[in-house]
Amino acid sequence: DTEVTQTPKHLVMGMTNKKSLKCEQHMGHRAMYWYKQKAKKPPELMFVYSYEKLSINESVPSRFSPECPNSSLLNLHLHALQPEDSALYLCASSQVGGQGGYEQYFGPGTRLTVT
Amino acid sequence: QKEVEQNSGPLSVPEGAIASLNCTYSDRGSQSFFWYRQYSGKSPELIMSIYSNGDKEDGRFTAQLNKASQYVSLLIRDSQPSDSATYLCAPSLYGNKLVFGAGTILRVKS
Repeated sequence: DTEVTQTPKHLVMGMTNKKSLKCEQHMGHRAMYWYKQKAKKPPELMFVYSYEKLSINESVPSRFSPECPNSSLLNLHLHALQPEDSALYLCASSQVGGQGGYEQYFGPGTRLTVT
Repeated sequence: QKEVEQNSGPLSVPEGAIASLNCTYSDRGSQSFFWYRQYSGKSPELIMSIYSNGDKEDGRFTAQLNKASQYVSLLIRDSQPSDSATYLCAPSLYGNKLVFGAGTILRVKS
């Protein structure tokens, strides 16, 4: 059983809609991540939050807006998306500290379809 | 040159054989290395992490790291059909930033 949960599992939205993806972790981690994964491609990092502060934004378009309300929760607000934004959106969490990097644990993902 | 290179496969091995998956990386600053398994339509699952040169064994899995050669590998002993998946190599470049290879598709034939 994963200790990183994501809702919803599936989301279909029109290009004019506003929706949010939610992620919650119960591992006591202080870093949380959003990844985007297209079919037959590896995950691509979008955002990193460390101690509830945005530490990395991989030049993601502003139609994606992340939010970290507390150390356990991570949201991704979606607005005016394009059909090419359809993908599997993955949340992950890890410990923070050191320069070597820690193991990241992924949630089950949200399958997003933009019509 | 790609930051992380893996043979895309598919790598086909018979049940009970050893599957050998390889990965090279370009950034010598990478200090942590992770292997993820991803079944079709599912999210990546961490199966091995390795931080220092040498071998690390966990059950049927062995990770091998050679920083001088910028090479990391994953061996799966006694391969089972349930091991059929895509295996992603992910060095940590700095801090908590992972960069994934394109993945190797493994098929274990019964």
